[in-house]
Amino acid sequence: SQELEQSPQSLIVQEGKNLTINCTSSKTLYGLYWYKQKYGEGLIFLMMLQKGGEEKSHEKITAKLDEKKQQSSLHITASQPSHAGIYLCGRKGAAGNKLTFGGGTRVLVKP
Amino acid sequence: DAGVTQSPTHLIKTRGQHVTLRCSPISGHKSVSWYQQVLGQGPQFIFQYYEKEERGRGNFPDRFSARQFPNYSSELNVNALLLGDSALYLCASSLEGGGTNYGYTFGSGTRLTVV
Repeated sequence: SQELEQSPQSLIVQEGKNLTINCTSSKTLYGLYWYKQKYGEGLIFLMMLQKGGEEKSHEKITAKLDEKKQQSSLHITASQPSHAGIYLCGRKGAAGNKLTFGGGTRVLVKP
Repeated sequence: DAGVTQSPTHLIKTRGQHVTLRCSPISGHKSVSWYQQVLGQGPQFIFQYYEKEERGRGNFPDRFSARQFPNYSSELNVNALLLGDSALYLCASSLEGGGTNYGYTFGSGTRLTVV
């Protein structure tokens, strides 16, 4: 199994509806990054969480970190077509020299 | 301010050939990392360089090598290309090796196709 599991693998949501993506790590989380990727393009940095219980928001996107459960969630409120893409969570290792990514969650927003 | 720039954007190579991919980090960033992203999967870590020294290496064969230059730009070299090397190669830059509070900034990638 992967070190970082994302769920769901894909989802289709009606425009205006909320959605939540989960990221679960099998190892200690020293830092958790969320990125968004359009198909075949580079990764766009969304947020980084470092402390247990930390919660960050940017526009309509909120990310939380549950250090004890080694989980993070990404929540999008009132989704828009611009939110479509692949969302990736990345775990920072103990040495801090690399990110280990989950398999990604593919989001499609239906108008 | 220019972001992370990678060249070329697309590349087609034949099995057995060699390829060199290039990356220029954000001005002031001293660390460059390379990732391979196969279609449908998350990126896999290949290398990290900081101040021209290798700081980390992922689980990739010796056919993969990299280096960082005095101006902090970097090259990724892959020898004896295999069909399985076809992927999007991503470069990420950061102020220092630990990724900082601003995260790693990724380039748009080089799409390598091996035929």
